[in-house]
Amino acid sequence: EPEVTQTPSHQVTQMGQEVILRCVPISNHLYFYWYRQILGQKVEFLVSFYNNEISEKSEIFDDQFSVERPDGSNFTLKIRSTKLEDSAMYFCASSPKGTGSYNEQFFGPGTRLTVL
Amino acid sequence: LAKTTQPISMDSYEGQEVNITCSHNNIATNDYITWYQQFPSQGPRFIIQGYKTKVTNEVASLFIPADRKSSTLSLPRVSLSDTAVYYCLVENSGYALNFGKGTSLLVTP
Repeated sequence: EPEVTQTPSHQVTQMGQEVILRCVPISNHLYFYWYRQILGQKVEFLVSFYNNEISEKSEIFDDQFSVERPDGSNFTLKIRSTKLEDSAMYFCASSPKGTGSYNEQFFGPGTRLTVL
Repeated sequence: LAKTTQPISMDSYEGQEVNITCSHNNIATNDYITWYQQFPSQGPRFIIQGYKTKVTNEVASLFIPADRKSSTLSLPRVSLSDTAVYYCLVENSGYALNFGKGTSLLVTP
């Protein structure tokens, strides 16, 4: 069964450093997403991406965040200057359609980001 | 955006049927009701989605009354591996899935 993969599984970085989280969505999916989950809290939407552009973003997704699909398979989330409060589990997801009925999103296993 | 309310936690013994009810009084005509499951340190996983009446798949059943102001996820004969957080979402427009705090289900022997 096809699945979303994410690398690395755990990333430790110093405050102020840039990090890039990588995801390989399911191959025939067209919509891509990033979510985050701070420890003990709910899953929060960050951004959705379709046709090489952002289709929706949350208030969390400020100027320090960016997303990119550099080739036909990878989807990345970059945090330019990490803060302590960016420590969280980051989930990538993909879906074959964007909205409406049966818009099942398939989530990856997550990258745990720890900012020291 | 329709707000959902569900119990914070539930306990069950193995082999029992578990019903988790979600309230969504402000559901809009075009909204669908979707349930996701999340195990610790894993991403959420789609369980089931419905619009009205009853939907059943190999994992669960979803009961939606005529007024659609609530829904009930039914897990038949739960096992220890069903211990997880279950999220009720109401969605239609937009790309984002809006997760609440979910219901933490603990299944014990």
